[in-house]
Amino acid sequence: QSVLTQPPSVSAAPGQKVTISCSGSSSNIGSNSVSWYQQLPGTAPKFLIYDNDKRPSGIPDRFSGSKSGTSATLGITGLQTGDEADYYCGTWDNSLSAFVFGTGTEVTVL
Amino acid sequence: QVQLVQSGAEVKKPGASLRVSCKASGYTFTTLDINWVRQATGQGLEWMGWMSPNSGNTGYAPKFRGRFTISRDTSISTAYMELTSLTSEDTAVYFCASGPPGQPRIDYWGQGTLVTVSS
Repeated sequence: QSVLTQPPSVSAAPGQKVTISCSGSSSNIGSNSVSWYQQLPGTAPKFLIYDNDKRPSGIPDRFSGSKSGTSATLGITGLQTGDEADYYCGTWDNSLSAFVFGTGTEVTVL
Repeated sequence: QVQLVQSGAEVKKPGASLRVSCKASGYTFTTLDINWVRQATGQGLEWMGWMSPNSGNTGYAPKFRGRFTISRDTSISTAYMELTSLTSEDTAVYFCASGPPGQPRIDYWGQGTLVTVSS
């Protein structure tokens, strides 16, 4: 069981916005920055957000991240069919001395 | 561009050991940490451990300590993972992935290696 909790699924119509929450604790999100990953069906994960709210080169600004206390959020605006994927948050856990991933959220474009 | 190319699919018997390689290119091998992550079919991502190719230092998730080892050969820019005492629970896709040292982020991912453990 992961120490980072995400909703199993979220959905919205094309062009709309979705938000994905990632809930942790003081030993992980509360102490370290959060990254996010997108995994399209049958492919390797893709690096999406780092340092809570920064986008790597090539990631469109439709994707945004934020963090408050022991929770983080990924936002996707202008939803496209190509955004249908699983999304994972990740951070370091000081108590486990390990990197931890969230439980994952499936995004569906209606 | 950064590329991580992993060895091919494996089928193993229960109790056997597994070794997967990960060849890096497009950057200086010793400047990024290597991580190993696995994913069982229909399940989430599970981080297994990391290594600094520069120092050789390693760290492992509590679940895998004792039967998981990461190593490297800097002369050929290749990292290896070894997992022993395999069971059916180890059936998964294994990914190598790299990121900046000491940062809670994983920037680049290999294509994945499917490992099936079956008698």
